[in-house]
Amino acid sequence: SQTIHQWPATLVQPVGSPLSLECTVEGTSNPNLYWYRQAAGRGLQLLFYSVGIGQISSEVPQNLSASRPQDRQFILSSKKLLLSDSGFYLCAWHQGAGQPQHFGDGTRLSIL
Amino acid sequence: SQELEQSPQSLIVQEGKNLTINCTSSKTLYGLYWYKQKYGEGLIFLMMLQKGGEEKSHEKITAKLDEKKQQSSLHITASQPSHAGIYLCGADRTGANNLFFGTGTRLTVIP
Repeated sequence: SQTIHQWPATLVQPVGSPLSLECTVEGTSNPNLYWYRQAAGRGLQLLFYSVGIGQISSEVPQNLSASRPQDRQFILSSKKLLLSDSGFYLCAWHQGAGQPQHFGDGTRLSIL
Repeated sequence: SQELEQSPQSLIVQEGKNLTINCTSSKTLYGLYWYKQKYGEGLIFLMMLQKGGEEKSHEKITAKLDEKKQQSSLHITASQPSHAGIYLCGADRTGANNLFFGTGTRLTVIP
């Protein structure tokens, strides 16, 4: 069966520090991959999605970037974190159009 | 977002009562997905609806998509404390399954 892993589960970082969140999927190949952010009191906001290795689409301009170095690995990064980057980050995958997205357990990021 | 509205924003019900959560889009959708989230955790997939007029059920939860594919409802029969959480609807607006989510409905079930 397919599984998705996100780490770390929680992270506290100072303003201006770099960020790297990792997401991996097991048990499938060539999945579509997604990064979402859920801020307090707001819904899920799609940040990036990828349909293949090296293919990244950004939904909103921001201080973050994403990369997909391997088929089942999706990384969310920042060179310098802002206070506004705080939130709950979720990775998701699905196997083609018409299939539901499946989510990881999330990373709670607090910026001090 | 104004394009996908969920109502109510929060709901408190007595155990055993029925309840309905609504999700309305300003545009026709390719698909509508319902998820449940417990605080601080990931989203759990409940159901997806892709055809106008479609209705699906799983245990005590029923979801419907209207004929125009712009409005969906999630109905829980005889609610239990295990149903408590945040329910989110996700809309596929392009057919590529890049979902746009509502702000969620926080459900509390009082024993």
